[in-house]
Amino acid sequence: GAGVSQSPSNKVTEKGKDVELRCDPISGHTALYWYRQRLGQGLEFLIYFQGNSAPDKSGLPSDRFSAERTGESVSTLTIQRTQQEDSAVYLCASSPGTDSGANVLTFGAGSRLTVL
Amino acid sequence: KNQVEQSPQSLIILEGKNCTLQCNYTVSPFSNLRWYKQDTGRGPVSLTIMTFSENTKSNGRYTATLDADTKQSSLHITASQLSDSASYICVVSARTAGNKLTFGGGTRVLVKP
Repeated sequence: GAGVSQSPSNKVTEKGKDVELRCDPISGHTALYWYRQRLGQGLEFLIYFQGNSAPDKSGLPSDRFSAERTGESVSTLTIQRTQQEDSAVYLCASSPGTDSGANVLTFGAGSRLTVL
Repeated sequence: KNQVEQSPQSLIILEGKNCTLQCNYTVSPFSNLRWYKQDTGRGPVSLTIMTFSENTKSNGRYTATLDADTKQSSLHITASQLSDSASYICVVSARTAGNKLTFGGGTRVLVKP
């Protein structure tokens, strides 16, 4: 598509429930990133995909967080047993490749998660 | 530890005035530095990207500078407009496997009429 699409744009859930957040990157972009942004804070790196594999999962805050990517396209970030501290905007970004010297990340608008 | 520090945290300027935002980093080995603009409720949008050999890069009324020796960058906004109200994020990339970026906390700019 023309840009990075994320859904849902807003999600309100109860503590303890599981949520799935979806990211559709720009067609042809092999690199995909998930970030978390708490209110008034900077972006925190969660996970990076190159194709369908995730060489860097170092930012996932706990084993309640997982992500997958299929078809070198869509990615899903899953948060199990949500906690109030998980409330944040989850941003997805994609770029054409792995060369950080040349590629600019294009961000989606984010999925705002509120855990009650 | 790779870090990116931005200052000020926030600033208010009058429409038509200029301002300069600062970014200091300790990311190593350095690959490139980017400035992003993030409007409220939106994802960040790239303004400039600079590699080691570039000292200055402009994008319209936005001019970024880079001093790789002192590990400092600045973003200068000329003749500010109300639409410049946003958070400006400095992002530094290390030349390491995984293409990990280190984000600054951002500077929130409010342009008043």
